[in-house]
Amino acid sequence: GQQVMQIPQYQHVQEGEDFTTYCNSSTTLSNIQWYKQRPGGHPVFLIQLVKSGEVKKQKRLTFQFGEAKKNSSLHITATQTTDVGTYFCAGMVTGGGNKLTFGTGTQLKVEL
Amino acid sequence: DGGITQSPKYLFRKEGQNVTLSCEQNLNHDAMYWYRQDPGQGLRLIYYSQIVNDFQKGDIAEGYSVSREKKESFPLTVTSAQKNPTAFYLCASRGPGVIEQPQHFGDGTRLSIL
Repeated sequence: GQQVMQIPQYQHVQEGEDFTTYCNSSTTLSNIQWYKQRPGGHPVFLIQLVKSGEVKKQKRLTFQFGEAKKNSSLHITATQTTDVGTYFCAGMVTGGGNKLTFGTGTQLKVEL
Repeated sequence: DGGITQSPKYLFRKEGQNVTLSCEQNLNHDAMYWYRQDPGQGLRLIYYSQIVNDFQKGDIAEGYSVSREKKESFPLTVTSAQKNPTAFYLCASRGPGVIEQPQHFGDGTRLSIL
């Protein structure tokens, strides 16, 4: 079945450092979504990418969708303590039914 | 997120017992989903429903059952056949659209074995 892997699994950074998480799918995706889950909370939608090579920015967050639509990345510039949480990508396979396959997640910890 | 209510927040199951987790939404969404979250494994899809009176198995449906008799409700039963039920269970719903819409999650139910 479809698998979506994320690396790294964990990342500790000092406040102000940059952070990147990578998402790789075994199959081509029709779109990819990114979610953030704060400790003890539930996933909250951040953004969706649909087009090959698409790049979107939200303040300090930059999201990219690969040319082959099989990988994606989230980059955070100058991390803050409010960025703490687990970041998940979630992809949908064309013709695979209206269901998302979530990545394994990257847990980010930010130290002062 | 507002609009999706899961209950209870914590639930304990005895051996051989079936338990039901509640999920209610007032977002008027057709599609609803149940996920299981274990540490380090992300979210895995148990069941999903795209319309009332219809549902499909996800990737880990064994030991679980669902019903979708009303648009706003999608309860999940964890049966005694599920031998490792301890996990965080998340319910989600999604609105319609030509372009895929984001999923909105409830606050989750933490299930443990007594």
